Amino acid sequence: EAQVTQNPRYLITVTGKKLTVTCSQNMNHEYMSWYRQDPGLGLRQIYYSMNVEVTDKGDVPEGYKVSRKEKRNFPLILESPSPNQTSLYFCASSKDFPHQPQHFGDGTRLSIL
Amino acid sequence: AQSVTQLDSQVPVFEEAPVELRCNYSSSVSVYLFWYVQYPNQGLQLLLKYLSGSTLVKGINGFEAEFNKSQTSFHLRKPSVHISDTAEYFCAVAPPLVFGKGTRLSVIA
Repeated sequence: EAQVTQNPRYLITVTGKKLTVTCSQNMNHEYMSWYRQDPGLGLRQIYYSMNVEVTDKGDVPEGYKVSRKEKRNFPLILESPSPNQTSLYFCASSKDFPHQPQHFGDGTRLSIL
Repeated sequence: AQSVTQLDSQVPVFEEAPVELRCNYSSSVSVYLFWYVQYPNQGLQLLLKYLSGSTLVKGINGFEAEFNKSQTSFHLRKPSVHISDTAEYFCAVAPPLVFGKGTRLSVIA
């Protein structure tokens, strides 16, 4: 089954403790991206990657890092999480950009205390 | 910069009534347009897309949308809604890929 898998689905942690949210897709897609979803703000793009070793900032990249060492994986790293990064995070992938639709994971709900 | 405006943040509607969710975008050049649906505790799923050709696009679950270039709009419609259509709906435009803030559709029995 074609899918985008995110882990963990839920995480409660404390300020300053480094964490990684993994994202993996099994569709051989070139384009991958991370979004955060906050009430009243919709989805905002954090980072995206057009292919292996090619990443770029989205609209809200501050406090986040990404890497794309393999085509299927695109982890999101929070080196020193802060409470304002409490949010619902989605990973997405697509075959081509911009005309192909995004395939979304089920989301990761992060709470940073 | 590209922007997408979903004119209604919440739309309540009775079951079996028609519904229209409105979306306007800012770009004057060629764009690709999408509607996504998000059910509770799930990621976004594609409802329909407009790439080119016919301005009336049909999607899944009985939804359709009409691309209007002169009004830079891409409104989503369904002639008769069901309880199961209760969800959040997002309009998106590319390139670059920008999402609207979403419209919460609540279907009332």
